[in-house]
Amino acid sequence: GESVGLHLPTLSVQEGDNSIINCAYSNSASDYFIWYKQESGKGPQFIIDIRSNMDKRQGQRVTVLLNKTVKHLSLQIAATQPGDSAVYFCAELNNAGNMLTFGGGTRLMVKP
Amino acid sequence: DAGVIQSPRHEVTEMGQEVTLRCKPISGHDYLFWYRQTMMRGLELLIYFNNNVPIDDSGMPEDRFSAKMPNASFSTLKIQPSEPRDSAVYFCASSSGLAGRNEQFFGPGTRLTVL
Repeated sequence: GESVGLHLPTLSVQEGDNSIINCAYSNSASDYFIWYKQESGKGPQFIIDIRSNMDKRQGQRVTVLLNKTVKHLSLQIAATQPGDSAVYFCAELNNAGNMLTFGGGTRLMVKP
Repeated sequence: DAGVIQSPRHEVTEMGQEVTLRCKPISGHDYLFWYRQTMMRGLELLIYFNNNVPIDDSGMPEDRFSAKMPNASFSTLKIQPSEPRDSAVYFCASSSGLAGRNEQFFGPGTRLTVL
């Protein structure tokens, strides 16, 4: 497949539990953030985004929290399913508004 | 929409050979990005285009790497000559520059192995 075996932090959860994936970003001036999911053999796929004028945004089973004070993002997945197993990346948009800088990623493993 | 299309999906070549990776962005998108993903460095931006014009190539590792976008529906990333350390997965992504929408759509990637 096209995903690489990155030496990533791994979060292992039981099916049905909630998952929380954390990310620290570097640029205090960043005003747009995205969470991506990368499944084995595929490219990263958009999950949810948030702008800096918000501290929380909800999607279907996912919630992103933004704490600008400590430059921290989190992705919460409710009722985690085996299909959620993937590598999750946070990304921040640069000041010019065109380039994304990706974090190192977290591998989520869901145990049935 | 078929999404971002990349070819080939897998490429195995020998050191010193020229490698050309191809990308067709989503129709109507005016930004195109080339990324490289490795175990050591994660996902790195190599270069991006806006309206077919290269805007920032500061991520291109060496002069052996070059990228072109002759029209709105096609881009290439070329490595000449290739080296084993170029082995990685190369992703192409595209986005629309419409205000407030910055989501990048990624292709499936090309896994390059240089022997």
